[in-house]
Amino acid sequence: DAGVIQSPRHEVTEMGQEVTLRCKPISGHDYLFWYRQTMMRGLELLIYFNNNVPIDDSGMPEDRFSAKMPNASFSTLKIQPSEPRDSAVYFCASSPGTNQPQHFGDGTRLSIL
Amino acid sequence: EDKVVQSPLSLVVHEGDTVTLNCSYEVTNFRSLLWYKQEKKAPTFLFMLTSSGIEKKSGRLSSILDKKELFSILNITATQTGDSAIYLCAVDNYGQNFVFGPGTRLSVLP
Repeated sequence: DAGVIQSPRHEVTEMGQEVTLRCKPISGHDYLFWYRQTMMRGLELLIYFNNNVPIDDSGMPEDRFSAKMPNASFSTLKIQPSEPRDSAVYFCASSPGTNQPQHFGDGTRLSIL
Repeated sequence: EDKVVQSPLSLVVHEGDTVTLNCSYEVTNFRSLLWYKQEKKAPTFLFMLTSSGIEKKSGRLSSILDKKELFSILNITATQTGDSAIYLCAVDNYGQNFVFGPGTRLSVLP
């Protein structure tokens, strides 16, 4: 099992640019989660999907953030336009069902200059 | 507002010591509590607890949940340097969301 795969591993870009983070969940997992982790705020849930449908996006900080899951094996988190305060590690996780442990990807370390 | 609190936030011990990490929570509709270990990259799953008073064990690690007092502890006995990590507690709010605590940063010195 390849686990949850995220890309890129690192992203450095200038403020104002569009950033797209990608995630491939574990095959067969119906739930996909996007998290952001910073020293100040810890791990925050941004949005999660069930069977490709967004269920709860109340954690998305503002309209500059958007997430899609066009199929069961791919999801994107987009920030447009990016700002320095968006700098963080963004994790994607998946789980096979409710009340099941989540499996995390290795994260994307995002730096906005 | 749903909340998960962990203590201590940081802990430094020597190899062989036993540590107890604490997690308390306030959520509207508790379903389960999970412990994760985060080293350099992704959090990795340790335990899921749903029932009070039933200890879960994995090697030197064990955890228990008290749903009446709304807390859980994670014990690590005979600590090793490889136990150095951030330990995260998370609560599943009945599928509405997952709330993570700030984590306890454990450093085990040789």
